[in-house]
Amino acid sequence: GQNIDQPTEMTATEGAIVQINCTYQTSGFNGLFWYQQHAGEAPTFLSYNVLDGLEEKGRFSSFLSRSKGYSYLLLKELQMKDSASYLCAVKDNTNAGKSTFGDGTTLTVKP
Amino acid sequence: NAGVMQNPRHLVRRRGQEARLRCSPMKGHSHVYWYRQLPEEGLKFMVYLQKENIIDESGMPKERFSAEFPKEGPSILRIQQVVRGDSAAYFCASSPAGEHQPQHFGDGTRLSIL
Repeated sequence: GQNIDQPTEMTATEGAIVQINCTYQTSGFNGLFWYQQHAGEAPTFLSYNVLDGLEEKGRFSSFLSRSKGYSYLLLKELQMKDSASYLCAVKDNTNAGKSTFGDGTTLTVKP
Repeated sequence: NAGVMQNPRHLVRRRGQEARLRCSPMKGHSHVYWYRQLPEEGLKFMVYLQKENIIDESGMPKERFSAEFPKEGPSILRIQQVVRGDSAAYFCASSPAGEHQPQHFGDGTRLSIL
């Protein structure tokens, strides 16, 4: 089985940097995804990590350490529109294709 | 290039009725996933299907719920004899074959039980 932990809520200021952490325990790791979900909307794919290290994509970066069972999503130059829920999802190699989602971190960006 | 299409967007049923939720995956995607989301909560996996096969239904209640992904046509999530507790948003996602592919989500169906 899998266990995924994320903080429930975070608050940050417009223009700042925020780091959202995700820790996981899995029987067979096969990749970690980050999704963004605005209230009442569908989740949208942000990033994917399967090897250790940092993946950068514009204002968003995602980091993975497989030995520590740890990932973070880094958001730079925060904008008001970044207020959303951020979901960490782990794919394991014992259930081909299936990802397990964390409960999400609700980020509120304040002016 | 259409994304994942779900319909209806909103569905209202009375207790005891049946609810049918449809999902057409993105073109070229052969894997379909259904999730349920309650307000202020995360996505809960229900079932994973490929064409004509249920791969993993470990998240689906044993009674009243069923899912299919026929050779032709959309994937269907069917809830029989609905109860108030079935009220939720139901999201469908699809992905192509291959190990490192993200899932692409539809806009969801908001099911309300009166």
